[in-house]
Amino acid sequence: GAGVSQTPSNKVTEKGKYVELRCDPISGHTALYWYRQSLGQGPEFLIYFQGTGAADDSGLPNDRFFAVRPEGSVSTLKIQRTERGDSAVYLCASSSQGQNINYGYTFGSGTRLTVV
Amino acid sequence: SQQGEEDPQALSIQEGENATMNCSYKTSINNLQWYRQNSGRGLVHLILIRSNEREKHSGRLRVTLDTSKKSSSLLITASRAADTASYFCATQNSGYALNFGKGTSLLVTP
Repeated sequence: GAGVSQTPSNKVTEKGKYVELRCDPISGHTALYWYRQSLGQGPEFLIYFQGTGAADDSGLPNDRFFAVRPEGSVSTLKIQRTERGDSAVYLCASSSQGQNINYGYTFGSGTRLTVV
Repeated sequence: SQQGEEDPQALSIQEGENATMNCSYKTSINNLQWYRQNSGRGLVHLILIRSNEREKHSGRLRVTLDTSKKSSSLLITASRAADTASYFCATQNSGYALNFGKGTSLLVTP
């Protein structure tokens, strides 16, 4: 597609439920990133994919968070047993230059997750 | 963790004036990038400056980088109401992750 697409744009879920957030990167972009942004803060890195593999998942806060990218294109961020503290905007970005870091990213519009 | 720190946190100016935002960071970097965010959603990449560069221009944007002081500035000249947004600096070191600051909220009034 023309840009990075994230669905849903908004998600309200009850505490303890499981949620999946989807990211559809720019076609051909091999690098894909997930970030989380809490209110009044800058985005914080969660995980980076190069192709199908998670090259760096050091930003995932705990084992309730998991992400996959089985075919090297669409990625899904999965959150188990959601907590109110997980409420944030989840941003996805892609880049065609994953091996060369001197390029900017293209971000999606994000998914606003609210855990009640 | 957030490495970059923008200053000021909020800035209010009138159309036509210049806006200057500063960013300080803590560790060595490969590059520093500036992003704009409208309404708390997607970020738009504005400009990237490599660690061996000192100044870069893009349209009405001018970015400087001083690696000895670990600081950068973003200048928006002849500001417009449409420039109203939050602006973030992000550093990239040896890894792939971008480390963002908390941002500067810019308000440009007609």
